[in-house]
Amino acid sequence: EIVMTQSPATLSVSPGERATLSCRASQSVSSNLAWYQQKPGQAPRLLIYGASTRATGIPARFSGSGSGTEFTLTISSLQSEDFAVYYCQQYNNWPPVTFGGGTKVEIK
Amino acid sequence: QVQLVQSGAEVKKPGSSVKVSCKASGGTFSSYAISWVRQAPGQGLEWMGGIIPIFGTANYAQKFQGRVTITADESTSTAYMELSSLRSEDTAVYYCVAAAGNWYFDLWGRGTLVTVSS
Repeated sequence: EIVMTQSPATLSVSPGERATLSCRASQSVSSNLAWYQQKPGQAPRLLIYGASTRATGIPARFSGSGSGTEFTLTISSLQSEDFAVYYCQQYNNWPPVTFGGGTKVEIK
Repeated sequence: QVQLVQSGAEVKKPGSSVKVSCKASGGTFSSYAISWVRQAPGQGLEWMGGIIPIFGTANYAQKFQGRVTITADESTSTAYMELSSLRSEDTAVYYCVAAAGNWYFDLWGRGTLVTVSS
């Protein structure tokens, strides 16, 4: 089973600043990596798939990069609605698909 | 636009089973693979297993092998997840999720809270 590790666990950022979230896979997942956003009391929402393709309706301030074992989600200018928990997920080697432990982006 | 409508919250005794349903509203399962993902209180996301309804064969995470059964009824566009031998650690929100292409999840149900308590 591929283990996904996200860092940092918590990221404190001021509105308008850039946020950079990392996700590492225990072995290569090629570009089969997705990112999700989850707000309190809500189901997660797909942001990025294929490591860098934004899902329908996702603002351009969200971007994904990386391949193999190292991935990054960047939020270029944080808006108030972006404070949430973010998860990465690999789907290269399934079953199972596996998720990272999450990064909480909080207001600084 | 397809929506996933899940059944309501459940309270179960340890050792019992729970069966959660997920109906595709506004469309059918034909274009999707369905999985179940759970989230314990304050914790992360955990994939339990998935099924491609047109094929009918489910795959499960090793952790849940022998305790979970995922099925799908194409005629009613409904998927089911049954978890047996419940214990307190199974208290979680269970999400029905759908993948239109590869195994990333475009669609999420609202979740079903299952509470296991004596």
